[in-house]
Amino acid sequence: GDSVTQMEGPVTLSEEAFLTINCTYTATGYPSLFWYVQYPGEGLQLLLKATKADDKGSNKGFEATYRKETTSFHLEKGSVQVSDSAVYFCALSDLRSGNLIFGKGTKLSVKP
Amino acid sequence: KAGVTQTPRYLIKTRGQQVTLSCSPISGHRSVSWYQQTPGQGLQFLFEYFSETQRNKGNFPGRFSGRQFSNSRSEMNVSTLELGDSALYLCASSFLGTGENSPLHFGNGTRLTVT
Repeated sequence: GDSVTQMEGPVTLSEEAFLTINCTYTATGYPSLFWYVQYPGEGLQLLLKATKADDKGSNKGFEATYRKETTSFHLEKGSVQVSDSAVYFCALSDLRSGNLIFGKGTKLSVKP
Repeated sequence: KAGVTQTPRYLIKTRGQQVTLSCSPISGHRSVSWYQQTPGQGLQFLFEYFSETQRNKGNFPGRFSGRQFSNSRSEMNVSTLELGDSALYLCASSFLGTGENSPLHFGNGTRLTVT
């Protein structure tokens, strides 16, 4: 079945460092891809999405490009802030059911 | 616009008991999905309701059930609780359901602890 694999964390960075969180997927067809973020004590929030190959999703300085040839959707940010500390989830939409399949999540800690 | 509201925030139950969790979606949203979040398994899909009908179901035993009311509010029930049911239960609403690429809006979850 469809699945999502994310790099394991935790990831610890200093403020203003460059961030990459790797995400690859296995799917039949071309699902929509998403990044969600979960701040401590809260639910998930949609960060960005891409619905077709070569689409770039972006929001709050974060970007991710839908790469069909490498089945990847890596999350990047040029300069992280302490406020970006959270758990990040990569997800795809199951084409059969429409429901989201999530990766295990990557915890990011940004130190001042 | 009010967000997705889940009640209660925290619950402590003992093995064998049953529990009901509640979710009020964003006004106008007709789809409500439930997810279980645990450190070991991550986020796993339980079921989705749309206009009072269960539209999709994940791979959970029959002890997990749900329903949706005419005002789109949803409840999830777990019977005969087991220690492994301890988790954060997240509810998410969307206008049409993720099959239509309409984004999910999550509540803050109900933290269930089974002792």
